Amino acid sequence: EAGVTQFPSHSVIEKGQTVTLRCDPISGHDNLYWYRRVMGKEIKFLLHFVKESKQDESGMPNNRFLAERTGGTYSTLKVQPAELEDSGVYFCASSPLLAGGDEQFFGPGTRLTVL
Amino acid sequence: QKEVEQDPGPLSVPEGAIVSLNCTYSNSAFQYFMWYRQYSRKGPELLMYTYSSGNKEDGRFTAQVDKSSKYISLFIRDSQPSDSATYLCASYTSGTYKYIFGTGTRLKVLA
Repeated sequence: EAGVTQFPSHSVIEKGQTVTLRCDPISGHDNLYWYRRVMGKEIKFLLHFVKESKQDESGMPNNRFLAERTGGTYSTLKVQPAELEDSGVYFCASSPLLAGGDEQFFGPGTRLTVL
Repeated sequence: QKEVEQDPGPLSVPEGAIVSLNCTYSNSAFQYFMWYRQYSRKGPELLMYTYSSGNKEDGRFTAQVDKSSKYISLFIRDSQPSDSATYLCASYTSGTYKYIFGTGTRLKVLA
């Protein structure tokens, strides 16, 4: 079974540009999450989709970040315009829609560098 | 104060040693506790997933949760050089699926 995949693996852009990150969850997983790790800090939650609906977007830093999950399959995270402090590793995770516990499976991450 | 605290290390041990990795947390509402292993330039890989207090064993790995002291532990027996990685603890509250992570502990197992 294929795991969570993310594209690109690495992106280098200049301040003010736009970048779109993509995540393909494990097939059949209705829950999809975005997290971010800024250098030297812990991994932090950004938002949670259940199918195509945003369940919790309390971790989104500001309105320069836009996440979508059309059709409840893959998701994109757009940063527009990018700022220096947006640099970090962006992880996507997915889990099946089950009652009780929620084991999240992470992708390899997209390393974003804003110059 | 961070909700989940973890010593960043690095922690170096000889091959075959028993490794003890620990986290403390402050939110008494946390009910689920996870340990992830992350190799350099890779994503976190789920190692252990436990609910509430108690022990859980899987091969060489044992996870322990003590809710009374808000303490989470991961023990690795017969450590191997391939165990060298960053170990992340995480917790969350039932009803939210927002994982709260520690900063991770870098472990190096020397051959």
